[in-house]
Amino acid sequence: GQNIDQPTEMTATEGAIVQINCTYQTSGFNGLFWYQQHAGEAPTFLSYNVLDGLEEKGRFSSFLSRSKGYSYLLLKELQMKDSASYLCAVNPGGYQKVTFGTGTKLQVIP
Amino acid sequence: EAEVAQSPRYKITEKSQAVAFWCDPISGHATLYWYRQILGQGPELLVQFQDESVVDDSQLPKDRFSAERLKGVDSTLKIQPAELGDSAMYLCASSPRSRNTGELFFGEGSRLTVL
Repeated sequence: GQNIDQPTEMTATEGAIVQINCTYQTSGFNGLFWYQQHAGEAPTFLSYNVLDGLEEKGRFSSFLSRSKGYSYLLLKELQMKDSASYLCAVNPGGYQKVTFGTGTKLQVIP
Repeated sequence: EAEVAQSPRYKITEKSQAVAFWCDPISGHATLYWYRQILGQGPELLVQFQDESVVDDSQLPKDRFSAERLKGVDSTLKIQPAELGDSAMYLCASSPRSRNTGELFFGEGSRLTVL
């Protein structure tokens, strides 16, 4: 089976840096995704990691350690519009379903 | 920019009634997914299609839910009869590759409220 864990809620200050962690246990691995989801809207793609290491894309970076079953999403220079849920999702590979975590609701405060 | 189209955007129905959702994936995307997302939770896969064939429907409550993608393009998800616990956002997504190696492109979702 697949199991993905991430914190339920986090609060951070505008302009600061926040790290959202995700741990996973899956029967296979062919990549990990991070999605952003604003309230009432569909998820939108942020990043994809399949190899160990850090992927940087503007203010957002994502890290993966396959041996530890661990990933994090790093958001820098936080803005109020970054208040959203951040979903960690794992692709087990083949035709197995992409499994999502429950999401981390991030609140950015002034 | 190509998008995944879903309708209706919102649906309110009474329990025991039938409801249907429609999805048109991005042109050329072979894989189509229906997810259900209950408020405060992550999306849960209901059914996955590869062209017109069902690849995974292990989490689809088959006594009341059905899904089809007859020509391998657009898809319909039906619930009959609807129950109170079916209130959720129903998300359709598509993927450009034949195997699960790429990102999912989501539609705006269909929010169902069952009274």
